[in-house]
Amino acid sequence: DVKVTQSSRYLVKRTGEKVFLECVQDMDHENMFWYRQDPGLGLRLIYFSYDVKMKEKGDIPEGYSVSREKKERFSLILESASTNQTSMYLCASSQDGVNQPQHFGDGTRLSIL
Amino acid sequence: DAKTTQPPSMDCAEGRAANLPCNHSTISGNEYVYWYRQIHSQGPQYIIHGLKNNETNEMASLIITEDRKSSTLILPHATLRDTAVYYCIVRLPQAGTALIFGKGTTLSVSS
Repeated sequence: DVKVTQSSRYLVKRTGEKVFLECVQDMDHENMFWYRQDPGLGLRLIYFSYDVKMKEKGDIPEGYSVSREKKERFSLILESASTNQTSMYLCASSQDGVNQPQHFGDGTRLSIL
Repeated sequence: DAKTTQPPSMDCAEGRAANLPCNHSTISGNEYVYWYRQIHSQGPQYIIHGLKNNETNEMASLIITEDRKSSTLILPHATLRDTAVYYCIVRLPQAGTALIFGKGTTLSVSS
């Protein structure tokens, strides 16, 4: 079974803090993704990575950066947290190749106070 | 990606089969049908996907009509733990593109 593990289920931070969200997958997948999920807005892609040290912006990259130093690990960084970044953050991974499904972690519910 | 239409909610008795429909009348020839579900406060869970043939795995079966304009996800013996929002997604098989979830179907399984 594919396992995507996010480091925290719940996190509370203050505005202006630098926040790190970590994601690890154990299936040697090439692709990794960071989404946020908000009521009424569905899933929105922040960044994805198709290889180590490679990254592509998604639909809403502003205020975020990512790091992928090892194949299994993909980190999302909130450079200076703001209250509008309060959300559920979801990490996913997929094998390379056509029609490969994305597999998700359980999410991190982040609150910025 | 083609648009999908799902009923907003369905009920199912525990132990019975749950049949969740999805309409995707504008699907193009190389778009796949994917099903995910999301249990409250958890991440989405991949269930199954297919192109035109029926598919079965340990979780569910996917029946796609011959004209590919609709499909049905079948949970053969629903349990209380199958209560979730089920999303039908139609998309091109492109790695590295975002999944777009619609409103889905809330399936409630009761004893």
